[in-house]
Amino acid sequence: QKEVEQNSGPLSVPEGAIASLNCTYSDRGSQSFFWYRQYSGKSPELIMSIYSNGDKEDGRFTAQLNKASQYVSLLIRDSQPSDSATYLCAVNGSGNTGKLIFGQGTTLQVKP
Amino acid sequence: EAGVAQSPRYKIIEKRQSVAFWCNPISGHATLYWYQQILGQGPKLLIQFQNNGVVDDSQLPKDRFSAERLKGVDSTLKIQPAKLEDSAVYLCASSLVGGYNEQFFGPGTRLTVL
Repeated sequence: QKEVEQNSGPLSVPEGAIASLNCTYSDRGSQSFFWYRQYSGKSPELIMSIYSNGDKEDGRFTAQLNKASQYVSLLIRDSQPSDSATYLCAVNGSGNTGKLIFGQGTTLQVKP
Repeated sequence: EAGVAQSPRYKIIEKRQSVAFWCNPISGHATLYWYQQILGQGPKLLIQFQNNGVVDDSQLPKDRFSAERLKGVDSTLKIQPAKLEDSAVYLCASSLVGGYNEQFFGPGTRLTVL
């Protein structure tokens, strides 16, 4: 079992729709969770961090965390073609040293 | 505020040659990370420094990879000798300290080993 799992996609949504990206993790002691956006040929860019159960909203982005189910998700409202990228889920392990375990990423395509 | 700086941006070498990458973290960030990202995969941590000490190097192939952060600021990652499977993007990231703190990535160095 992979430590952090994401569906590789591609996930295709029409412009203006809500994109829902999901991630599961295996380490029940994980404390902090991050979403990075990576455009083709570029480095990962941090877009959301979440540390406690529930929802966290930032503009068009909402991160959701459910530690009991070991599940974290990212919702993108009013999706734009510029949101087309790979979204990486990263989890900080229970040792809380700062080491991030990344999923393989989900490719999102927003079609005009 | 300046971001994480890396150089070179691209490097092409023959197998068995050596190569070095340089990273300068965001000013004031005590923790520095080197990740390897193979095409189609998420980044994988190679080594983590807290100031000039190593916190985690469990996934660093120590027979060929080495890294240092002598003065607790910038860092160098070296591969000697390189193998074909080392072709990847090498990413440097930094954070204020480890633990909960957010990590910010540099532009990366794309290495091609022929």
